[in-house]
Amino acid sequence: EAGVTQFPSHSVIEKGQTVTLRCDPISGHDNLYWYRRVMGKEIKFLLHFVKESKQDESGMPNNRFLAERTGGTYSTLKVQPAELEDSGVYFCASSQKMGGNGELFFGEGSRLTVL
Amino acid sequence: AQSVTQLGSHVSVSEGALVLLRCNYSSSVPPYLFWYVQYPNQGLQLLLKYTSAATLVKGINGFEAEFKKSETSFHLTKPSAHMSDAAEYFCAVSDRFGNEKLTFGTGTRLTIIP
Repeated sequence: EAGVTQFPSHSVIEKGQTVTLRCDPISGHDNLYWYRRVMGKEIKFLLHFVKESKQDESGMPNNRFLAERTGGTYSTLKVQPAELEDSGVYFCASSQKMGGNGELFFGEGSRLTVL
Repeated sequence: AQSVTQLGSHVSVSEGALVLLRCNYSSSVPPYLFWYVQYPNQGLQLLLKYTSAATLVKGINGFEAEFKKSETSFHLTKPSAHMSDAAEYFCAVSDRFGNEKLTFGTGTRLTIIP
């Protein structure tokens, strides 16, 4: 069974440009999360989808970030326009259902560098 | 609000030596605690979790952690380090069972010296 896959693995863009990150969760996993790690700091929660609905987006930094989950399958995270402080590693994670054993399955992350 | 503190961003131990990675938490409610590991070029993987059952929790690859409420700690240990343990380790907390909105520490990179 395929794990959580993220694309691209690394993206380098200039300030002001747009980037879209994609996450394909494990098949059948209703819950999808986005987390971010800024260089050397902790991994921080961004938002949580249950199927196609946003359950919690309290961690989204500002309105330059837009997350979608079409049809409850894959998810995209768009940053527009990108700023220098958006650089970091964006992790996607999925789990089967809420109230489960609390185990998240993480992708390898998408490293974003904004110049 | 919850928080996690991992003492030591880098830890080096000799192969065969004891591994001790420290994690202290702050939580206003009984916490649920996790250790995740990230091996090079891989995603984070759950090592073990504490969910208010036994205070000594055993995980994969010979790791274990002990929940100490009086010390607000959840340190990760392994009796004998192996080269394959080289990775970055993250301690995390959530405020209720099944809640996957985790608060992570800053991570500890473990290096194994041959």
